[in-house]
Amino acid sequence: QSVLTQPPSVSAAPGQKVSISCYGSSTNIGKNYVSWYQQLPGTAPKLLIYDNNERYSGIPDRFSGSKSGTSATLGITGLQTGDEADYYCGTWDSSLRAVVFGGGTTLTVL
Amino acid sequence: EEQLVESGGGLVQPGGSLRLSCVASRFTFSNSWMAWVRQAPGKGLEWVANIKPDGSETYYVGSVKGRFTISRDNAKNSLYLQMNSLTADDTAVYYCARHRVQGRPDLDVWGQGTTVTVSS
Repeated sequence: QSVLTQPPSVSAAPGQKVSISCYGSSTNIGKNYVSWYQQLPGTAPKLLIYDNNERYSGIPDRFSGSKSGTSATLGITGLQTGDEADYYCGTWDSSLRAVVFGGGTTLTVL
Repeated sequence: EEQLVESGGGLVQPGGSLRLSCVASRFTFSNSWMAWVRQAPGKGLEWVANIKPDGSETYYVGSVKGRFTISRDNAKNSLYLQMNSLTADDTAVYYCARHRVQGRPDLDVWGQGTTVTVSS
């Protein structure tokens, strides 16, 4: 069981938008910055979003992040087939003194 | 472009040991917090450990405490993970990664991963 909770899968049509949620607690998301990663099949993860809502270098503005209380959300607009991947949220847990990740969400672009 | 290259993975018997290495290039390794992250087959990401730039502080996930040791050699731009008392649950792709800045959990540079298989 992951410390952060994500839906196992989401899907949407090309050109549409999707949101991926990440739920945590007061010891992790509630008091620390959230980041988001994209992992294409067979490749290493890639940083998309850091500090809750900052896009990493080279990441298109179709990707956005937000945080409210103990949850965070990754938004993707203008979906493309190339966006099909696993997406992970991550943060620091002040109680565990550890970096924690969500279980991952598989995005399917129908 | 910053780069991390892992090596040292392989097949090891339960109870055995393995040492992973990661060589960094094109960034100032000695100023960077570094981490190991693993991914079991078909599973999600699991942070394993990280280490301060000067090596004076280290942190571990509970399941590897007392068995794994993270270390670094800044003169060689290298990060290591010594893994002892390995079990089948340690089977995974192990990634070396850089923390983007001190005090932040996000990881902005990742290696390609090295595969560790624990099996008899």
